[in-house]
Amino acid sequence: AQKITQTQPGMFVQEKEAVTLDCTYDTSDPSYGLFWYKQPSSGEMIFLIYQGSYDQQNATEGRYSLNFQKARKSANLVISASQLGDSAMYFCAMSTGTASKLTFGTGTRLQVTL
Amino acid sequence: GAVVSQHPSWVICKSGTSVKIECRSLDFQATTMFWYRQFPKQSLMLMATSNEGSKATYEQGVEKDKFLINHASLTLSTLTVTSAHPEDSSFYICSANRDGNSYNEQFFGPGTRLTVL
Repeated sequence: AQKITQTQPGMFVQEKEAVTLDCTYDTSDPSYGLFWYKQPSSGEMIFLIYQGSYDQQNATEGRYSLNFQKARKSANLVISASQLGDSAMYFCAMSTGTASKLTFGTGTRLQVTL
Repeated sequence: GAVVSQHPSWVICKSGTSVKIECRSLDFQATTMFWYRQFPKQSLMLMATSNEGSKATYEQGVEKDKFLINHASLTLSTLTVTSAHPEDSSFYICSANRDGNSYNEQFFGPGTRLTVL
């Protein structure tokens, strides 16, 4: 069975600072994908970044980067230069093998302050 | 590209009635779509995988006779909540896996908020 764990229910960060949101995963499948989504209060799920299990380099997308540590089974999201608009729920998710269905973590609510 | 729409965005209905929610991939084909349910301040829980031209695959604990899924075309999946009750009130989100995608990225719809009185 696959499992995603997000241990931080809530995080605060000051504007323009960087913040790391933690995610650990568990799977016995050697082929998997890790995703981060942002969910603002409007409810839509916004795709941020993807990391494949065989990717050698950490994924980056603008201000988002994924700190992938395979041996530790962690896939932390780093947001640099936080903005007020980054305040939202953030979900880590995983797909395994050829199946495309996602298993989600419980989420982290990020609040960016002035 | 890769836009998914849902209709309606919100619905209020009386207990015992049925409600249909549509999920459309607007600019791509999706053989596979997914239906999730999200309670307030909780994560997304996968309800079922919708496959074009075949029966949906339901997750454990999801009543397939209550949550009817039809994936009649490569761009449309519908979820019908039959004989809705107040405990069915929730936020329902669909997603679509774009055919030919290099990895299993899912594109999400904006969600439908269902309130059953």
